[in-house]
Amino acid sequence: QKEVEQNSGPLSVPEGAIASLNCTYSDRGSQSFFWYRQYSGKSPELIMSIYSNGDKEDGRFTAQLNKASQYVSLLIRDSQPSDSATYLCAVIAGTYKYIFGTGTRLKVLA
Amino acid sequence: DAGVTQSPTHLIKTRGQQVTLRCSPISGHKSVSWYQQVLGQGPQFIFQYYEKEERGRGNFPDRFSARQFPNYSSELNVNALLLGDSALYLCASSLGVRSAYEQYFGPGTRLTVT
Repeated sequence: QKEVEQNSGPLSVPEGAIASLNCTYSDRGSQSFFWYRQYSGKSPELIMSIYSNGDKEDGRFTAQLNKASQYVSLLIRDSQPSDSATYLCAVIAGTYKYIFGTGTRLKVLA
Repeated sequence: DAGVTQSPTHLIKTRGQQVTLRCSPISGHKSVSWYQQVLGQGPQFIFQYYEKEERGRGNFPDRFSARQFPNYSSELNVNALLLGDSALYLCASSLGVRSAYEQYFGPGTRLTVT
């Protein structure tokens, strides 16, 4: 079992819709979770961090964490073509080691 | 404020050669981590340094080494290059090593081994 799993996609949504990106992790002791956006040929850009169960909202982005189910998700409201990118889920294992998923490719169709 | 900077941007090396990649963290950040990213995969953790000490190492061979300098900049060295070392090498900086600290990535160095 991979430590952090994401559906590779592509996930296609129409412009203006809600995009839902999901991630599961295997280390039950993980406490810190991050979502990064990566455009083709560029480096990852931090979108959200979440540390407690529940929802965390920042503009059009909402991160959701459920530690009991070892599940973290990212919702993008009012999706725009500029949101088309690969979204990486990252989990901190232990005290320092970031573990990244393989990423989900999102396509927002105009 | 300047973000994380990396040099060089691109690099072409031959099998068996050695390479040094450089990273300067965001001002005030004391921790630097190195990652390798191959096409279609997420970044793979190589090293983390904090206050010039190695705090973590990923599952990479001893051909990979790194160090952090008093100004918190860092170098990643790879010896005896293999074709499989071709990848995007990313540096990320954060305030510290506590689990709550967020990492910010530099633009990366694209290494091609021929």
